[in-house]
Amino acid sequence: DIVMTQSPDSLAVSLGERATINCKSSQSVLYTSSSKNYLAWYQQKPRQPPKLLIYWASTREAGVPERFSGSGSGTDFTLTINSLQAEDVAVYYCQQYYNTPLTFGGGTKVEIK
Amino acid sequence: QLQLQESGPGLVEPSETLSLTCTVSGDSIGSSGHPWGWIRQPPGKGLEWIGTMFYSGSTHYNPSLKSRVTISMDTSKNQLSLNLTSVTVADTAVYFCARDGCDGSGCSQYNWFDPWGPGALVTVSS
Repeated sequence: DIVMTQSPDSLAVSLGERATINCKSSQSVLYTSSSKNYLAWYQQKPRQPPKLLIYWASTREAGVPERFSGSGSGTDFTLTINSLQAEDVAVYYCQQYYNTPLTFGGGTKVEIK
Repeated sequence: QLQLQESGPGLVEPSETLSLTCTVSGDSIGSSGHPWGWIRQPPGKGLEWIGTMFYSGSTHYNPSLKSRVTISMDTSKNQLSLNLTSVTVADTAVYFCARDGCDGSGCSQYNWFDPWGPGALVTVSS
């Protein structure tokens, strides 16, 4: 199984500041023939299902604010929230879809400082 | 607009079978070409993929649950179903159904999930 490790477990950021969440996979999720990284990011607010933010590691889903961006390749990935807003308080998960079983990171809780 | 809604008993006794249904509106599960999946989340914990069903009828399960899980679809009712046998307290979780989110060319066999249903809490307890 590909193990997805997120860091930190939680972070507190001031409104308007940047939040950076890391996700590391135990093996590469880069499919070399397509040059695509098989990694997605989700946002989950309390009592709600996860909401897709990013796929192919850096493609923003339609309707997702531009302050959310994904980067990285191979085994190391980052979700960046620029200019944190109050509505961004949530738990964020990464997911690999390179192979099965599909696996998720343990989550990173983002709060307001 | 695509919507998914999970339904089923909220309480299941240990050793019994957990059965959930996901009713889909806004898309045809048997002909859309999208795979459909189940994911669960124990209270206060992370997400675990249970399995995926393809429009061909084939299924792929998480090996950790494979011996106990069955995913099926009823195209006449536009529903996806989940059966999990011999449940224990460790199976207490919110169960989500979701559609494979990839559209168009460039999709892999497995992709991200989008959208998700609101989830159904199933508690295993006597």
